[in-house]
Amino acid sequence: DAGVIQSPRHEVTEMGQEVTLRCKPISGHNSLFWYRQTMMRGLELLIYFNNNVPIDDSGMPEDRFSAKMPNASFSTLKIQPSEPRDSAVYFCASSLITSEQFFGPGTRLTVL
Amino acid sequence: KQEVTQIPAALSVPEGENLVLNCSFTDSAIYNLQWFRQDPGKGLTSLLLIQSSQREQTSGRLNASLDKSSGRSTLYIAASQPGDSATYLCAATSDSWGKLQFGAGTQVVVTP
Repeated sequence: DAGVIQSPRHEVTEMGQEVTLRCKPISGHNSLFWYRQTMMRGLELLIYFNNNVPIDDSGMPEDRFSAKMPNASFSTLKIQPSEPRDSAVYFCASSLITSEQFFGPGTRLTVL
Repeated sequence: KQEVTQIPAALSVPEGENLVLNCSFTDSAIYNLQWFRQDPGKGLTSLLLIQSSQREQTSGRLNASLDKSSGRSTLYIAASQPGDSATYLCAATSDSWGKLQFGAGTQVVVTP
């Protein structure tokens, strides 16, 4: 298996622009998680899905953030409009529910 | 709310010495606990998953123990090598959905 796939790996954008991050989970996994990692706050869970349904989005920092999972093999995290404080590494992870989570390589986002 | 703490934040050992990494959590009602490794600029690699019913889990030179009553987990790495240099994170799952709460990590340097 190719593991969790994320794209793009790096994204540089200007404040106010829309950013879309993409994730393909491991085939057969039914849970998908979006995390954000910063030096100040460490790893934070933003939102997670089970069987394509959002379960808990309480970690999403603001209404500027939204996430979708239209099918079992694809999810997006969108930031609109982006701000410099959104600069971070965004990780996607997948698992079978309550089992080992496998992380993607991350997307390093820089908002100027 | 589950809180996960890792002390010390950084650790340096000479090659060949055994590594002992500590993780403590506040809520003993966990489903499982997972240990990860993160190399600089990279994603998280899962090392071991301990289910709440288990006391320990082993993989090669790695051994992780879990003591729910004291709220502690320990990761042992035998005969450390320079390639073991990385940040090690532990994360606890306290709900049935697999939501992980991460510690801040311990940065390990193994000197030749």
